[in-house]
Amino acid sequence: EAGVAQSPRYKIIEKRQSVAFWCNPISGHATLYWYQQILGQGPKLLIQFQNNGVVDDSQLPKDRFSAERLKGVDSTLKIQPAKLEDSAVYLCASTPRALNTEAFFGQGTRLTVV
Amino acid sequence: GQQVMQIPQYQHVQEGEDFTTYCNSSTTLSNIQWYKQRPGGHPVFLIQLVKSGEVKKQKRLTFQFGEAKKNSSLHITATQTTDVGTYFCAGPYSSASKIIFGSGTRLSIRP
Repeated sequence: EAGVAQSPRYKIIEKRQSVAFWCNPISGHATLYWYQQILGQGPKLLIQFQNNGVVDDSQLPKDRFSAERLKGVDSTLKIQPAKLEDSAVYLCASTPRALNTEAFFGQGTRLTVV
Repeated sequence: GQQVMQIPQYQHVQEGEDFTTYCNSSTTLSNIQWYKQRPGGHPVFLIQLVKSGEVKKQKRLTFQFGEAKKNSSLHITATQTTDVGTYFCAGPYSSASKIIFGSGTRLSIRP
């Protein structure tokens, strides 16, 4: 079974530029999460999708971050414009059902904003 | 808001010593999960506990869920260098079950 795929693995951009990350969850997984993990901290949930609908985006900085999951499969997370404090690893995870199941994580995208 | 705290933040042990990390939630959890993240890697699921007072073992790892379902612990017996990494507890919050991660405990080992 293929795992969660993310791209790119690494990205370096200047502040005020825009950037987009892509995630393809495990086939058939209905729930998809985007997490932000700053160095030395635990993953922080940004947004949760159930199929193609947003379930929770309370921690998403909506003035600069946006995410979509068209057709309920793969997803993109965009930052525009980026700030220095956005430097982090962006992790995508998926679960087959919304409740009581383990999350499968992708390798993540390491973003450096200079 | 929901908070999941873990202690200690770091632990450095001699190989062969035991290790324990504790997880405390500000609210009652329906279940708790534990993940391990190797340096430079991504979180990998270890186990899920559901019942109050539940204890599960995986070889040298022992996981406990508190009676009130607000705290949990992970104990590793006789650590090995392969145990190096950061251990996170995580709990689902609200009916939408968004998974909130704790702050993690980073384990390093002296050979």
